[in-house]
Amino acid sequence: AQSVTQLDSHVSVSEGTPVLLRCNYSSSYSPSLFWYVQHPNKGLQLLLKYTSAATLVKGINGFEAEFKKSETSFHLTKPSAHMSDAAEYFCVVSYTNAGKSTFGDGTTLTVKP
Amino acid sequence: NAGVTQTPKFQVLKTGQSMTLQCAQDMNHNSMYWYRQDPGMGLRLIYYSASEGTTDKGEVPNGYNVSRLNKREFSLRLESAAPSQTSVYFCASSDLYGYTFGSGTRLTVV
Repeated sequence: AQSVTQLDSHVSVSEGTPVLLRCNYSSSYSPSLFWYVQHPNKGLQLLLKYTSAATLVKGINGFEAEFKKSETSFHLTKPSAHMSDAAEYFCVVSYTNAGKSTFGDGTTLTVKP
Repeated sequence: NAGVTQTPKFQVLKTGQSMTLQCAQDMNHNSMYWYRQDPGMGLRLIYYSASEGTTDKGEVPNGYNVSRLNKREFSLRLESAAPSQTSVYFCASSDLYGYTFGSGTRLTVV
């Protein structure tokens, strides 16, 4: 069985400060892990993915995530938040490529001016 | 642009009415999905199709049916709409590199 927990339902940061969105996973096999972003009234867009290559994964818009097997974590970071980063973020785990994945409940990121 | 197209974008139904949500992808993906998204509940899988000709139930299939018409198209049908089916519905397709989502259908059942 696989599961994913996003540890914060809401995160608020000031523009220009670092962003940390936390995700822990549980998987019986070597997982594939993804982060998606959803802006208001839009569909979900892939930010980045991990599939057992480099543990530090770089995505779009300056986001990164580090796969830590010992901590079963895949936290999403960005050095400097921008107003346009305000959105909902979903962590996703899958062990069958991208088929029938498990989505976290989402973290809403607010960016204050 | 390549992607996943859903229609309609908005729909209001009366309780008991039926409707079909259409989804088409031009990504040449084998797998397709229907999710619903409700406030505070993330995305929940309704049905999925791992390949043309196959469909399987997800987490919340009750009240829905699906048809994988061909590799490109995957439709979701509500036979008798209920207020509990008020939600935003997303269609998606996937390959090794992740999901591609449609822009969603906002359905209200009154």
